[in-house]
This record gives sequence, structure tokens and C-alpha cells, in this order.
Amino acid sequence: DVKVTQSSRYLVKRTGEKVFLECVQDMDHENMFWYRQDPGLGLRLIYFSYDVKMKEKGDIPEGYSVSREKKERFSLILESASTNQTSMYLCASSFYMWLGGISYEQYFGPGTRLTVT
Amino acid sequence: QKEVEQNSGPLSVPEGAIASLNCTYSDRGSQSFFWYRQYSGKSPELIMFIYSNGDKEDGRFTAQLNKASQYVSLLIRDSQPSDSATYLCAVKVGIGKTSYDKVIFGPGTSLSVIP
Repeated sequence: DVKVTQSSRYLVKRTGEKVFLECVQDMDHENMFWYRQDPGLGLRLIYFSYDVKMKEKGDIPEGYSVSREKKERFSLILESASTNQTSMYLCASSFYMWLGGISYEQYFGPGTRLTVT
Repeated sequence: QKEVEQNSGPLSVPEGAIASLNCTYSDRGSQSFFWYRQYSGKSPELIMFIYSNGDKEDGRFTAQLNKASQYVSLLIRDSQPSDSATYLCAVKVGIGKTSYDKVIFGPGTSLSVIP
């Protein structure tokens, strides 16, 4: 059974703090993703990684950075938390294979609800 | 900007009816399409995927894809109260042979099945 775990379900931080969100997957997936989900805006991709030490910006990378030192672990870092980063953060992983455009499904972690005050 | 659009709902159907959820996408090169279900307070889980034009059936669920019209739909037959959730349409953008998969999610449609 695929398992994606996230370090915290709920997190409350103060403005200006550095915040680390961690994600671990146990299926040897190449791809890992960080999304945020806000009401009415759906899932928006922050960053993704297709290999160790590789990363690509998603649609809303500003204010975030990531780290992938090991294949199973992908960390999201909020360098200086702000109130507009209050959101649900979802990590996901998938196998990579490009075969005529076919893509593998993404498996999601339980999410971290971050509140920045 | 590549986009995926869905009616936000809420869509209400009586128990036992067919629920029809629609999704349109802007990137003509898209080739992989997914439907995720998300219960309130939970993370999304995949329920259907489709790559070829036409219908794909899995139990009470049928995914329909029409690439010419750039839409994909999900039909839920014999809807149950347990189907009440938000349904997210996701599309892999057609970016050719790359080393990563970029999937764009729609905003989701909230479905409520009334007993």
C-alpha cells in the first residue's frame, strides 16, 4: 500500500518564522510534489522534483523553497512565513514514465494545515 | 496559461440518480486525464483515469473523453450519499518528452447526494 506521510497535520507559526514541512513516501517514486489548496482556488503547484537534488518551480513558487536530499523525502521551506501563506499544504508522489504522454497517478499525503499569525 | 475548468457546484442529486460532472481544458496537447475524489478534510484520491477518446467504465463510474471538444466528464450511476465529496479533474499538460510530469488540477466540483 502506497504511503505518503507528512510531518504535521496542524501547524501554527508566527509571521517571519522559518517553517519546514516534510514529506516522506515509501514507494520509491521518482516524482514528488508540493501543492497548496485554498477554497475556490483548487490545488496549486508550488514545486516539484523528479529526482534527488532536482527541483522545478511550479505555478506559485514565490516565498517557498524545497530540498530533496534523498529520494523518499521532499521538504518545503517557507523562508519567512507570512499570513498569506496560511493554507492546506499537500504533498504527493508518483512514478515517472513518459510513454506517449501517459502519466502515472499521484498519491497524496494527509496534508498539513498551516496557520500563520 | 494552461487551464482546467469545472463547475464549482454544489451539485445536488437524489440518491440513486446519475451525477454528471464536467471538465474542460485548454491545452490541446493534453493526453492524460484523471478524476480525484476528495472528502471534506481529507486528501484527494484517484478514482478514474482515461487516455483515449470515448468511455471508460469502472463499477458505477464512467469517464468520458472527447479530445476534439477538449472536455472530460465523470458519470456516477446509482449515486450514494457516500459519493458526496469534491471531485477534482486533473490534466497532464502536453509538454512532450520531459523528465517530469506536470499535472494541472481544476478547482473541483462539490457533489451532494441527498438520501
